[in-house]
Amino acid sequence: GAVVSQHPSWVICKSGTSVKIECRSLDFQATTMFWYRQFPKQSLMLMATSNEGSKATYEQGVEKDKFLINHASLTLSTLTVTSAHPEDSSFYICSARSGAEGQETQYFGPGTRLLVL
Amino acid sequence: GQNIDQPTEMTATEGAIVQINCTYQTSGFNGLFWYQQHAGEAPTFLSYNVLDGLEEKGRFSSFLSRSKGYSYLLLKELQMKDSASYLCAPMDSNYQLIWGAGTKLIIKP
Repeated sequence: GAVVSQHPSWVICKSGTSVKIECRSLDFQATTMFWYRQFPKQSLMLMATSNEGSKATYEQGVEKDKFLINHASLTLSTLTVTSAHPEDSSFYICSARSGAEGQETQYFGPGTRLLVL
Repeated sequence: GQNIDQPTEMTATEGAIVQINCTYQTSGFNGLFWYQQHAGEAPTFLSYNVLDGLEEKGRFSSFLSRSKGYSYLLLKELQMKDSASYLCAPMDSNYQLIWGAGTKLIIKP
């Protein structure tokens, strides 16, 4: 299957700092990538859909100015958590679409665990 | 609205067979995915069904009935490493995956 990487896998930062998370599709081009957040023992929550060359589409309740998404190339999308606070501590997972139109599968990166102190 | 219904938790014995059921309601339908998620890790893709019927892939099989809004994941010859959450995720008319809470599967020796 297709391979998606994420970096970093772990981040610990102080409250008020910004954190950038990278998501890369390693062996395929992804025009669409997705960013999810998952709190312990809860289901995946879609935050935004990242489209190469255009603005991201954010889900209701997700602050676009706080969670900045950039999809500058067909293999890279970044999520920047600006002015992070303890309540932003979570498991952030990206996924990328791969496959023929109408039969695309989402492949997930390994996730980034963020802890804001 | 859009809705996924799966059992919260199931327990099975090593070497046995277990079936995890999923019923769904979505705005449009473009197939259904099953993912496995081990604790603390990201989901991994297991299967994709877009037509009715059974898709077999090794120890895992997935079934879909679009008219009933129903799918199941069948796991055979269970191994301890199969202990994980199993997520049923239908894709809606916007090609967006709809996620439920998943089924936590506990395998006992």
